[in-house]
Amino acid sequence: KAGVTQTPRYLIKTRGQQVTLSCSPISGHRSVSWYQQTPGQGLQFLFEYFSETQRNKGNFPGRFSGRQFSNSRSEMNVSTLELGDSALYLCASSLDAGRSLNTQYFGPGTRLTVL
Amino acid sequence: AQSVTQLGSHVSVSEGALVLLRCNYSSSVPPYLFWYVQYPNQGLQLLLKYTSAATLVKGINGFEAEFKKSETSFHLTKPSAHMSDAAEYFCAVRSQGGSEKLVFGKGTKLTVNP
Repeated sequence: KAGVTQTPRYLIKTRGQQVTLSCSPISGHRSVSWYQQTPGQGLQFLFEYFSETQRNKGNFPGRFSGRQFSNSRSEMNVSTLELGDSALYLCASSLDAGRSLNTQYFGPGTRLTVL
Repeated sequence: AQSVTQLGSHVSVSEGALVLLRCNYSSSVPPYLFWYVQYPNQGLQLLLKYTSAATLVKGINGFEAEFKKSETSFHLTKPSAHMSDAAEYFCAVRSQGGSEKLVFGKGTKLTVNP
């Protein structure tokens, strides 16, 4: 099975722009979560989607949004980019939502640089 | 609220020596615990997970971890370090039921010296 794929792998934007990142989960997985990784704050949970519904949201401003499509693919959007949004954005997928045997499998990430 | 503390942001060992990476958790309910590894410019790879089936959990690449409720710990060990083990290791906790949200520790960067 193919793993979690994320596109693009690298992105450079300027302040004030917006960006959309894409994540394709492992085939058959219906839950997708997003995390932001920075040297200062570490790995922080952004949001989680299951069956096209946002199940949980982290403590991020409204500029960060996401959605999930019927094929379980997910996108996240960041509007009005700030320098502090520079980070590695990781997507993870799991088979279901909240079950004890679930494991989240991570993609390689999208490295976003905001200039 | 759940939290994870990883003691030591950097750990250095010699090749062939014991690897011990420490993780303590805080959770009001029995947790699910995970160890992930991240190599440079890559995503996270699952090493092992604890889901209450057994307190000693064996993972990939010769790693194992022991869940100790009395100490609220889930330390990661490997008897003999290999150069290829050099990476950053993250401990994470997830609550039972309802959400896939993982709360991560700050990570421990492991250096293996020849």
